[in-house]
Amino acid sequence: DQQVKQNSPSLSVQEGRISILNCDYTNSMFDYFLWYKKYPAEGPTFLISISSIKDKNEDGRFTVFLNKSAKHLSLHIVPSQPGDSAVYFCAASANNDMRFGAGTRLTVKP
Amino acid sequence: SAVISQKPSRDICQRGTSLTIQCQVDSQVTMMFWYRQQPGQSLTLIATANQGSEATYESGFVIDKFPISRPNLTFSTLTVSNMSPEDSSIYLCSVKVVGGYNEKLFFGSGTQLSVL
Repeated sequence: DQQVKQNSPSLSVQEGRISILNCDYTNSMFDYFLWYKKYPAEGPTFLISISSIKDKNEDGRFTVFLNKSAKHLSLHIVPSQPGDSAVYFCAASANNDMRFGAGTRLTVKP
Repeated sequence: SAVISQKPSRDICQRGTSLTIQCQVDSQVTMMFWYRQQPGQSLTLIATANQGSEATYESGFVIDKFPISRPNLTFSTLTVSNMSPEDSSIYLCSVKVVGGYNEKLFFGSGTQLSVL
């Protein structure tokens, strides 16, 4: 039962352009959403989050958008940098139960 | 925030053996978790490590296969018992830090396990 889905296993973007990573969820009880970034041989690190009372949260080059009616969130990175190349996990939480997507591997080409 | 030291970082093990993974946190935390990430899969919660009592396992995971210890609020171990190649995965410990409305999980660096 995969409640959080990241349908794109990989994404390749040119340096300086925008990266858009997408995530869909099925459980309408989720009220808090997070993005994590993972480099090889390291654990995931928290990147940005959004609560269900908002539709947008911005932190520097990173912006997360939430569309509750569509049960969809996205992470925008602009401008993309080669150091952003990593696996990005979407997570959704409700009542202390956090579920993760399978991740999207982002490659930013110089 | 929380800094988590997890070891070993990787191991190659023989079928039928067991491996114990250790997780040390730099501060006392109430909630510690163990996750597994199989190739191409999402992070899957194995169990919640409870201090002073038995761990709480998720559906599909049992104590005999994944015994967990939590002797205090800064340390936990996960053992992968009687390993088979299907246990080859990345195992991650994590802690939850709550600040106001927001909660975050902090992760260890992971243990890459390969079972031959």
